[in-house]
Amino acid sequence: DQQVKQNSPSLSVQEGRISILNCDYTNSMFDYFLWYKKYPAEGPTFLISISSIKDKNEDGRFTVFLNKSAKHLSLHIVPSQPGDSAVYFCAAPYSGGGADGLTFGKGTHLIIQP
Amino acid sequence: DGGITQSPKYLFRKEGQNVTLSCEQNLNHDAMYWYRQDPGQGLRLIYYSQIVNDFQKGDIAEGYSVSREKKESFPLTVTSAQKNPTAFYLCASNPGQDYGYTFGSGTRLTVV
Repeated sequence: DQQVKQNSPSLSVQEGRISILNCDYTNSMFDYFLWYKKYPAEGPTFLISISSIKDKNEDGRFTVFLNKSAKHLSLHIVPSQPGDSAVYFCAAPYSGGGADGLTFGKGTHLIIQP
Repeated sequence: DGGITQSPKYLFRKEGQNVTLSCEQNLNHDAMYWYRQDPGQGLRLIYYSQIVNDFQKGDIAEGYSVSREKKESFPLTVTSAQKNPTAFYLCASNPGQDYGYTFGSGTRLTVV
């Protein structure tokens, strides 16, 4: 059963606007979350992360929000740029410390329209 | 430059043949992982290894085997028992008790 869920397979946003990608999780023991960006036929690259002791983490145009009571996190990209077009994965470590690997959502394909 | 090397980029095999995918890292990372990606699916964990000569099954280990004889290397064998081997395979590494995963560029395996 999938523990990290991304329910929007794709999202189309106009260049310059805000992109909001959503992620839900079922395991209340998760205490760290990561977002990865992936282009076709390439490996994922790390984008931004958040610890469960925070409710927001910001890095340039990227901000991740965490709502623990709702078991929900979102990635905001402002302003959206053409190079942001990619598949975005939400992930969480199977266990504290991260050594047991990550469990991933199915991804959201973000398309930035000119 | 440190990183993870997966080879080859594209691999074709006939049905019923075993095939081994290579993964080498020069990051001095203790832990290594194999993931599989299918269209419309996230990355699913096949096997992982936290130290040399030790490895654990992930969520979809059936039909796969691994070895970890050296810290730098974590080859994945896709056996004939794997029902749907055609997929994009990704190798990753991690220093250990850390969230800093590094991914390779992947191997696209096509079984015909």
